[in-house]
Amino acid sequence: LAKTTQPISMDSYEGQEVNITCSHNNIATNDYITWYQQFPSQGPRFIIQGYKTKVTNEVASLFIPADRKSSTLSLPRVSLSDTAVYYCLVGGTGANNLFFGTGTRLTVIP
Amino acid sequence: ETGVTQTPRHLVMGMTNKKSLKCEQHLGHNAMYWYKQSAKKPLELMFVYNFKEQTENNSVPSRFSPECPNSSHLFLHLHTLQPEDSALYLCASSQDLGFDSPLHFGNGTRLTVT
Repeated sequence: LAKTTQPISMDSYEGQEVNITCSHNNIATNDYITWYQQFPSQGPRFIIQGYKTKVTNEVASLFIPADRKSSTLSLPRVSLSDTAVYYCLVGGTGANNLFFGTGTRLTVIP
Repeated sequence: ETGVTQTPRHLVMGMTNKKSLKCEQHLGHNAMYWYKQSAKKPLELMFVYNFKEQTENNSVPSRFSPECPNSSHLFLHLHTLQPEDSALYLCASSQDLGFDSPLHFGNGTRLTVT
């Protein structure tokens, strides 16, 4: 089970690009990297998933270097509504990989 | 609407009560999960079901009893709970158990044990 390390919290002003990095030094060959967003009193929401290089969707981009020992979630031009906790998960097939860490609490400031 | 519906949204129960939490998913998924989220703690995986069969019990006390009658419905039966069991209980589903199959969560049941 690949352990992940993320910053506990980050602050950003509205309109800025935010990059949240997750370290996963013991990632396995068949592991994927998945990011979730959680607002207070709601369940986490899937944002993006990747295996290597760069993945982009309508919400975010995920950058994964060649060694895959870290990944960076990039949120372009954040707004106040992006204030949430962001979780990085790393794992392969099997339910015992579905463990969440403490996440990164992002606060967007007007 | 998340595709995963949990009821009730809020529940207050005494330590001697028996209650049940319900989860229903409309996504055609085969795997369903119960997570517990206590204040200022990470989400804790409790139970996993795949095609109605329990595949994971993460050392959960017996006062929590899951039931999965079909792939669309999941219950969590509660009895003789403790105040420290007060938390947000989240249900999730995924297409299958592969990690490339993202989790879809409901909005949870906020449980308070008095």
